[in-house]
Amino acid sequence: EAQVTQNPRYLITVTGKKLTVTCSQNMNHEYMSWYRQDPGLGLRQIYYSMNVEVTDKGDVPEGYKVSRKEKRNFPLILESPSPNQTSLYFCASRGTGAGTQYFGPGTRLLVL
Amino acid sequence: GIQVEQSPPDLILQEGANSTLRCNFSDSVNNLQWFHQNPWGQLINLFYIPSGTKQNGRLSATTVATERYSLLYISSSQTTDSGVYFCAVPGYGGATNKLIFGTGTLLAVQP
Repeated sequence: EAQVTQNPRYLITVTGKKLTVTCSQNMNHEYMSWYRQDPGLGLRQIYYSMNVEVTDKGDVPEGYKVSRKEKRNFPLILESPSPNQTSLYFCASRGTGAGTQYFGPGTRLLVL
Repeated sequence: GIQVEQSPPDLILQEGANSTLRCNFSDSVNNLQWFHQNPWGQLINLFYIPSGTKQNGRLSATTVATERYSLLYISSSQTTDSGVYFCAVPGYGGATNKLIFGTGTLLAVQP
């Protein structure tokens, strides 16, 4: 089954404790992205990647890092989380061309 | 940048009723997607519909790209249809892979 998976699905952490949210897709897609969703602000793109070792900032990259060492994986790293990063995070992927973009199940993060 | 507006913002239906959700976008687009965000927060792909009409069970969608709108039809609504419906179009520059999401329609289907 074609899918995007994220882990963990729920996470409570404390300010400053480094964390990684993993994302994996099994569709051999070139493009991958991370979004965050906040009430009143909608979904905003954090980072995106066009292929292995090619990443770039989206609209709200501050406080986040990403890497794309393998085509299927695109982890999101919060080096020093802060309470304003409490949010619902989505990973997404699509192939080349203007095709369907597939979203992961989401990760709810609470930073205390 | 492109603006995406949806109407109505909220909708309450009795189970079995039909509804039409609208998505207007401010510039020409080469694709459009409809999503359902369920009460658990998951974003479910409904349609990829850059133009024309598609149907999937009780749901169908029509996009008129030349007039910059898309419609999502829900027939014989069920309580499991509750949630937020979003349309989304590509942002500037295809390389960003960014989708611009509409403002959403919050649907509540009552038994």
